[in-house]
Amino acid sequence: QKEVEQNSGPLSVPEGAIASLNCTYSDRGSQSFFWYRQYSGKSPELIMFIYSNGDKEDGRFTAQLNKASQYVSLLIRDSQPSDSATYLCAVPRWGGTSYGKLTFGQGTILTVHP
Amino acid sequence: EAGVTQFPSHSVIEKGQTVTLRCDPISGHDNLYWYRRVMGKEIKFLLHFVKESKQDESGMPNNRFLAERTGGTYSTLKVQPAELEDSGVYFCASSPDRYGYTFGSGTRLTVV
Repeated sequence: QKEVEQNSGPLSVPEGAIASLNCTYSDRGSQSFFWYRQYSGKSPELIMFIYSNGDKEDGRFTAQLNKASQYVSLLIRDSQPSDSATYLCAVPRWGGTSYGKLTFGQGTILTVHP
Repeated sequence: EAGVTQFPSHSVIEKGQTVTLRCDPISGHDNLYWYRRVMGKEIKFLLHFVKESKQDESGMPNNRFLAERTGGTYSTLKVQPAELEDSGVYFCASSPDRYGYTFGSGTRLTVV
């Protein structure tokens, strides 16, 4: 079992719809979670981080965390063609020598079509 | 504020040659990380510097990879000799704390 798993997609949604991206993780001790957006050929860009159970909202983005079920999701409301990118779930590890080392999922390719 | 700068952006080398990748972190960021994405796989951790010291190099694939961070500023990652399986995109990231990761745009390495 991979430490962080995402559906690689591609996920295709129409403009204006809600895009739902999911991520599961295996380490029950994980405390915080990141969502990155990566456009083709560009660097990963942090769009959300969450560390408490429940929802965290930032503009059109909502991150949801359920530690009991070990999943974290990202909802994008009113999806725009400019949201088309690869979305990466990442889990930082703390403790021992692993200070901030990120473990990534394989990423979900999102396409928003007009 | 300048971001994390990596160069070259692309490098094509022959198997057996040496390549050196460079990363300039954001000024003042003590933490510097190297990651790699091989085609079709997830981004994977290579190593972590705190200032000039290697904090964690558990992800380095083998002893053909050598990373240094001079004076706690820029870092280099040397691959010598390069093999075909070293092809991929090498990312550098820097951070002042637990949350402020900033990634560079990466170096795409192709070994032929």
